[in-house]
Amino acid sequence: GAGVSQTPSNKVTEKGKYVELRCDPISGHTALYWYRQSLGQGPEFLIYFQGTGAADDSGLPNDRFFAVRPEGSVSTLKIQRTERGDSAVYLCASSPTPVHGSGELFFGEGSRLTVL
Amino acid sequence: AQSVAQPEDQVNVAEGNPLTVKCTYSVSGNPYLFWYVQYPNRGLQFLLKYITGDNLVKGSYGFEAEFNKSQTSFHLKKPSALVSDSALYFCAVRAFTGNQFYFGTGTSLTVIP
Repeated sequence: GAGVSQTPSNKVTEKGKYVELRCDPISGHTALYWYRQSLGQGPEFLIYFQGTGAADDSGLPNDRFFAVRPEGSVSTLKIQRTERGDSAVYLCASSPTPVHGSGELFFGEGSRLTVL
Repeated sequence: AQSVAQPEDQVNVAEGNPLTVKCTYSVSGNPYLFWYVQYPNRGLQFLLKYITGDNLVKGSYGFEAEFNKSQTSFHLKKPSALVSDSALYFCAVRAFTGNQFYFGTGTSLTVIP
């Protein structure tokens, strides 16, 4: 597609449930990032993929969060045993740039997660 | 530690007047600097970036930004504001040798007709 696509755009779930959020980056982009944006805050880094591997997962808040990118394209962010504090907009971004390049990020429109 | 500060949560400016949205940063080594704009319920859109060279960079929609190394600042500017410029603006920094982009908390710009 022309841009970064994220699904679902909205997800409402109950506390304790499992959630998957999907990101389809721009074709050919090797770098993929997940960010979390809470109301009134800037995007907070979660994880960065270069190709299939998670090059930096230092932003994942705890072991309930996990992300994969098995074929170096689509990525899925997985959240186990959701908590109300997980409610936020989850943003995916991709970039054509190799490691340490100067390219900007191209963002999707986000997946809004609400945990009741 | 790397970080970005946007000291103003809200900036109001009259249509046709110049606007400035402030950003200061902290990074180890030389920075890549970026500005993004976010409209309600939308993702972030890239406006411009500083990599190296000329301290004044020009970007989309008539925006420009000035890199000041001694003041570690990268303020966003536009000579004549439009009502359609009203949005949330984010500054971001990345170190030359890093992979993470660090974002500020955003500045809400309102252009008053």
